[in-house]
Amino acid sequence: DQQVKQNSPSLSVQEGRISILNCDYTNSMFDYFLWYKKYPAEGPTFLISISSIKDKNEDGRFTVFLNKSAKHLSLHIVPSQPGDSAVYFCAASAKGRRALTFGSGTRLQVQP
Amino acid sequence: DSGVTQTPKHLITATGQRVTLRCSPRSGDLSVYWYQQSLDQGLQFLIQYYNGEERAKGNILERFSAQQFPDLHSELNLSSLELGDSALYFCASGPDSYNEQFFGPGTRLTVL
Repeated sequence: DQQVKQNSPSLSVQEGRISILNCDYTNSMFDYFLWYKKYPAEGPTFLISISSIKDKNEDGRFTVFLNKSAKHLSLHIVPSQPGDSAVYFCAASAKGRRALTFGSGTRLQVQP
Repeated sequence: DSGVTQTPKHLITATGQRVTLRCSPRSGDLSVYWYQQSLDQGLQFLIQYYNGEERAKGNILERFSAQQFPDLHSELNLSSLELGDSALYFCASGPDSYNEQFFGPGTRLTVL
């Protein structure tokens, strides 16, 4: 049973445009959400996170939105750059636990 | 560079064998997590150690075991290896007061 789902395996956008990556979850005990970026042959790199007490968190070009009622979060990248091309993973942790549950990832390709 | 180191980078072995993967956490982090990523899927949590003690277990097979030493480095032992154990194994560390985890570059295990 996949508790964190990324239903789009891939996404292609033009340089300078907005990239929107989506993630859905089913476990109501999740209270902290994270996005990681992964390049080939490297480990995941932490990007941005959000606590369930917030609905938005921004860090430079990256913004994460959380809709608790829909159990949905999204990562917005504005403007997208070719260096953003990577696989993006959504992850979640439950109250009192640090272990992360990951989605299957979305491959983002930013076209110059 | 996340500050988390893993060795070896690649490991090729045969079915039935036993291997040991090593991880050194970031300076100051007491928690170490192990994750498995198979076939471009999401990462699956295996086990967490905190300051030498097992804290949480995920989908870790009985053939797999881990430990964390007094200097806080950790080892993941995989025995009676099967073809399906071929995967990327990531180690992560993080401060206990935060949910964010920082990942090493991974060990790619190939079982022939």
